Amino acid sequence: TQLLEQSPQFLSIQEGENLTVYCNSSSVFSSLQWYRQEPGEGPVLLVTVVTGGEVKKLKRLTFQFGDARKDSSLHITAAQPGDTGLYLCAANPSSRGKFQFGAGTQVVVTP
Amino acid sequence: SAVISQKPSRDICQRGTSLTIQCQVDSQVTMMFWYRQQPGQSLTLIATANQGSEATYESGFVIDKFPISRPNLTFSTLTVSNMSPEDSSIYLCSAAGGGLYEQYFGPGTRLTVT
Repeated sequence: TQLLEQSPQFLSIQEGENLTVYCNSSSVFSSLQWYRQEPGEGPVLLVTVVTGGEVKKLKRLTFQFGDARKDSSLHITAAQPGDTGLYLCAANPSSRGKFQFGAGTQVVVTP
Repeated sequence: SAVISQKPSRDICQRGTSLTIQCQVDSQVTMMFWYRQQPGQSLTLIATANQGSEATYESGFVIDKFPISRPNLTFSTLTVSNMSPEDSSIYLCSAAGGGLYEQYFGPGTRLTVT
């Protein structure tokens, strides 16, 4: 079974629209990370959230960690073609550095 | 942060042969990992490369098939042995450290087995 459930699996939107990606679990985590991966590259860390209820902003990206530290969301405002990529959430269930990744959300933003 | 390089970036290999992938980090790191990924899909952890001791493998992965070395805190290798077409995939190494274990990934090695 997948520890982290990501939804949706695929999202295709027009430039300028908003989108939200969700990462849910029944487990509590000490931290959760979001990565973006572009074709031919490795995943790149976007943010780490640690505190329940925490909200972090990275330009047009807003990340939220659930109050119970079981879920997280990534919201992109006014998406641009450069936001296209595979978005992955990852958590560290044992707090010992070994991460499990969600299935990923493929985002395509067309001009 | 850390900068990770991998060699080779891609290779096409024949069934039954072996390929060794190298991963170099630009600074000393506590933990290094090896992952496998099908294009457009998520990452599957193969093993944790432990410095100075045997790697720790995840369920479904064994040392005879994926021997790993980590001679120091900046370098690791993964060998894919006796390859079959099912081993065709992208292999990624990562390095992690600090209290939050934030991971930094190499660009990956795209392996095709014919």
